Amino acid sequence: SYVLTQPPSVSEAPGKTAMITCGGDNIGRKSVHWYQQKAGQAPVLIIHFDSGRPSGIPERFSGSNSGNTATLTISRVEVGDEADYYCHVWDSSGDRAVFGGGTRLTVL
Amino acid sequence: QVNLQASGPGLVKPSEALSLTCTVSGGSIDTYYWTWIRQPPGKGLEWIGYIFSSGSTTYSPSLKSRVSMSVDTSANQFSLRLSSVTAADTALYFCARGGPGDLEFWGQGALVTVSS
Repeated sequence: SYVLTQPPSVSEAPGKTAMITCGGDNIGRKSVHWYQQKAGQAPVLIIHFDSGRPSGIPERFSGSNSGNTATLTISRVEVGDEADYYCHVWDSSGDRAVFGGGTRLTVL
Repeated sequence: QVNLQASGPGLVKPSEALSLTCTVSGGSIDTYYWTWIRQPPGKGLEWIGYIFSSGSTTYSPSLKSRVSMSVDTSANQFSLRLSSVTAADTALYFCARGGPGDLEFWGQGALVTVSS
């Protein structure tokens, strides 16, 4: 079965750039979506189809996807960006959706 | 803005069935996919499956034997039933709009605890 691997945690200082990776076999051939989940809230779609930003999502959030790694980049990190971030793909061979294990972003 | 609200019993006994309904407002349920996702306390997201507005379904292989979903377009609702539950099914259950692509809108989630 298809597996997505994320680092459990990432820390970054305010104003810096945070990068969260999502590894998977030939993930570059799939469309990757990213969600932000703040404590006690439902996930929110922040990047879809590798690099698209839904309406209302700040330009500070960007995504890329190539080879075996997709990356969520958060520029000029803010304290309000502290949250869990999940990557998500559709595994067509298994006919199922797959989520990464999630990465907790801590803003120091 | 599309809003989703999951509702149902918060406590289910082991071996019984869990039933949840998601009510969609601010948009029609027609011509869209609708997905259920769950999150055990302190853990990550697990995909359960989706249903199209026509009623066609796709379920997680790991849950397929216990899951069924249905849709009521007249009420703008879709539902989840999970049979033979155990403590491992205790989770926050989310409903969302989307299917094999992105999950654009999410409800707040309904906590279901399995306990006698």
